[in-house]
Amino acid sequence: DQQVKQNSPSLSVQEGRISILNCDYTNSMFDYFLWYKKYPAEGPTFLISISSIKDKNEDGRFTVFLNKSAKHLSLHIVPSQPGDSAVYFCAASGPRDDKIIFGKGTRLHILP
Amino acid sequence: GAGVSQSPRYKVAKRGQDVALRCDPISGHVSLFWYQQALGQGPEFLTYFQNEAQLDKSGLPSDRFFAERPEGSVSTLKIQRTQQEDSAVYLCASSPLGGPYEQYFGPGTRLTVT
Repeated sequence: DQQVKQNSPSLSVQEGRISILNCDYTNSMFDYFLWYKKYPAEGPTFLISISSIKDKNEDGRFTVFLNKSAKHLSLHIVPSQPGDSAVYFCAASGPRDDKIIFGKGTRLHILP
Repeated sequence: GAGVSQSPRYKVAKRGQDVALRCDPISGHVSLFWYQQALGQGPEFLTYFQNEAQLDKSGLPSDRFFAERPEGSVSTLKIQRTQQEDSAVYLCASSPLGGPYEQYFGPGTRLTVT
């Protein structure tokens, strides 16, 4: 049973526009959420995270929003750039937990 | 500085063979994690070390899977009597801290069992 769900396998966005990647989770005990980015033949690279005590965290072009009541988070990338084309994984962790639970990923294509 | 390295990058094994996958974490990183990523899936947790102690092995799928980190640095994931369902990318990650924070991933080892 998937605890972290990314329901869109792929997303295409025009260069310069906003990319919005969505993620839902089922375990209400999760208190820390992360987004990773992955290029082919490379390991995932950490992008941005958010603790459950916050509802927004921003880092440059990347912003993560957390809606705890809906058990939903989203990653906004603005403006989208060609180098943003990659697979994006949503991930979550519970209190006093070391491991990360990943979603299946969303492949983002930035169109010229 | 050097990141997490893994070797071999690709491994083809015949069903029933034993394999050993190596992970060299970032120097000084206390925590080390192994994940398994099947095609079209996200990484799935296998096991976690803090220094040389294996604190969590709840994700290891069977007793054919064994991991060690004897000196608290390099780690080896061993799979005995490989099966076709073991075909996946095996990712290693290290972190200077415990917990889910700042995990730095290696490029992975792609294992194909024929």
